[in-house]
Amino acid sequence: KNEVEQSPQNLTAQEGEFITINCSYSVGISALHWLQQHPGGGIVSLFMLSSGKKKHGRLIATINIQEKHSSLHITASHPRDSAVYICAALVYNTDKLIFGTGTRLQVFP
Amino acid sequence: DVKVTQSSRYLVKRTGEKVFLECVQDMDHENMFWYRQDPGLGLRLIYFSYDVKMKEKGDIPEGYSVSREKKERFSLILESASTNQTSMYLCASSLATGTGAYEQYFGPGTRLTVT
Repeated sequence: KNEVEQSPQNLTAQEGEFITINCSYSVGISALHWLQQHPGGGIVSLFMLSSGKKKHGRLIATINIQEKHSSLHITASHPRDSAVYICAALVYNTDKLIFGTGTRLQVFP
Repeated sequence: DVKVTQSSRYLVKRTGEKVFLECVQDMDHENMFWYRQDPGLGLRLIYFSYDVKMKEKGDIPEGYSVSREKKERFSLILESASTNQTSMYLCASSLATGTGAYEQYFGPGTRLTVT
């Protein structure tokens, strides 16, 4: 069993839909990262959170430390949101990330 | 603005060749990382460096070595390339986690094909 599990692996949506991507982890963490990767490879950091909730534009990330679970929500999805979304756990007291295998999101107009 | 650059976006090498992948960051970060990314497996850590000339093996170091002679530059070396090293290679850097957790900043990636 992977230490960081994401679901779903693939997701398709119509423009405007509300999207949720889930991430569960089994290791102790200092923080949980959500990353976005567009075709072509470049990875950008969307959020880093260790408790509660963060919001940036149409993106919202939440984390429940007790349940070892995080979610990434996209409100009013748009085709430009099409990408791979990756959660990554920063292992407690280290500098190392453990990555989920990613969720491929396609948003159609 | 934070920047991590990698020497090549695409690289094609022959089996047995020695391959150098270079990564440079301009943020004065202590930590630098080399990952490979394969479909269905996600990103896996090859090597990690927390200071000049200091390194730690990651999850899959076999067949790879690294060099960090200057703080801003971290090189990944494939001593004798093999076809199972065909992959996307990503470099990242971050501040050292001391009193807090810090983001990792990623380079654009190098897609290496070994034939």
